[in-house]
Amino acid sequence: AQKVTQAQTEISVVEKEDVTLDCVYETRDTTYYLFWYKQPPSGELVFLIRRNSFDEQNEISGRYSWNFQKSTSSFNFTITASQVVDSAVYFCALSEITGNQFYFGTGTSLTVIP
Amino acid sequence: EAGVTQFPSHSVIEKGQTVTLRCDPISGHDNLYWYRRVMGKEIKFLLHFVKESKQDESGMPNNRFLAERTGGTYSTLKVQPAELEDSGVYFCASSQPRTGGGETQYFGPGTRLLVL
Repeated sequence: AQKVTQAQTEISVVEKEDVTLDCVYETRDTTYYLFWYKQPPSGELVFLIRRNSFDEQNEISGRYSWNFQKSTSSFNFTITASQVVDSAVYFCALSEITGNQFYFGTGTSLTVIP
Repeated sequence: EAGVTQFPSHSVIEKGQTVTLRCDPISGHDNLYWYRRVMGKEIKFLLHFVKESKQDESGMPNNRFLAERTGGTYSTLKVQPAELEDSGVYFCASSQPRTGGGETQYFGPGTRLLVL
């Protein structure tokens, strides 16, 4: 069965701290894709990153970085030197080669305190 | 380029009434998806259109929900009659098909539906 778990419901950090958002997934497919989306207060889901199951290289984009580890079925997201604008709900999602739908986690609400 | 738009942004109706949600995908995107998030839970898939055809409607909760995509452009999702448990945020997403799958879905801002 497909499942995405984001165990952290809410996180609060002080501005400039680093924060890691956890994502653990389950799938029987050997080919799959993982995504992170940001949902700011305005409500839309903003695409951040897409990673396929064959590419385990970590990725860095500015203050954002992602750590994909197939051995632990995890795709964690780190924000370095957090800023108030990073406050949002972050969703991790999985899609499989056998279908198009996304399987989402329950989201992690991040609050960055100035 | 305009993103995915949804209308209305909010809707408050009474149990038993009918509500129709609309989604305009990104121009040229053949794939259109509907998802729903009930308070505090995960965002769940409802159905998937490829152009005007329903590709997968396995997530539709029951026959009170009817989705259409006439002409393969915008889509509507009608709930009739609405029940209390239908409350939530309804998201629409669109994408272009990609060889090998795994296409990125682009989401709209959602419609917040409250059934009283």
